[in-house]
Amino acid sequence: SQTIHQWPATLVQPVGSPLSLECTVEGTSNPNLYWYRQAAGRGLQLLFYSVGIGQISSEVPQNLSASRPQDRQFILSSKKLLLSDSGFYLCAWSGTLNYGYTFGSGTRLTVV
Amino acid sequence: AQTVTQSQPEMSVQEAETVTLSCTYDTSENNYYLFWYKQPPSRQMILVIRQEAYKQQNATENRFSVNFQKAAKSFSLKISDSQLGDTAMYFCAFIPDSNYQLIWGAGTKLIIKP
Repeated sequence: SQTIHQWPATLVQPVGSPLSLECTVEGTSNPNLYWYRQAAGRGLQLLFYSVGIGQISSEVPQNLSASRPQDRQFILSSKKLLLSDSGFYLCAWSGTLNYGYTFGSGTRLTVV
Repeated sequence: AQTVTQSQPEMSVQEAETVTLSCTYDTSENNYYLFWYKQPPSRQMILVIRQEAYKQQNATENRFSVNFQKAAKSFSLKISDSQLGDTAMYFCAFIPDSNYQLIWGAGTKLIIKP
């Protein structure tokens, strides 16, 4: 069966520090991969998606970047965090459309 | 533009009652896939139920069922015999067949009271 792992679960980082959040999928090949951000009590904002290795599409211009170095690995990064980068980050994958997305357990990022 | 509207920002019902969450959507596509996701306080996003637009029969998963009205572009979620563990944010979403991106509603916060 397919599983998705996302880490870390919680992160507190100072302003100006770098960021690296990792997401890996097991049990499937060539998944579509997504990074979302969610502010408290709000809906989901799509940040990046990828349909293949090295193929990254950005939905929102910002201080973040994404990479897909391997088929089932998706990384969210920043060189210098801003206070406004605080939030809850969710990674997800999809295969066939009728099954929707499967989400990781999320990372709560607080920039101080 | 493709959109999802959840008109109830928050709902509250007593345990064991039945509750219906509303969702309407807009798309010009004929084929798509509809979903309800649940996000409890842990913030894990969990798929509750799904429906293929070409299927007329409403989907059912245990206490969860949908009322899918394609012509009206409506996709409501009914929760029967509600339980305290059903307390969560519920998001309605769909994927058009022409691409792979989920279109999300803003969510409904559901509170089940003991």
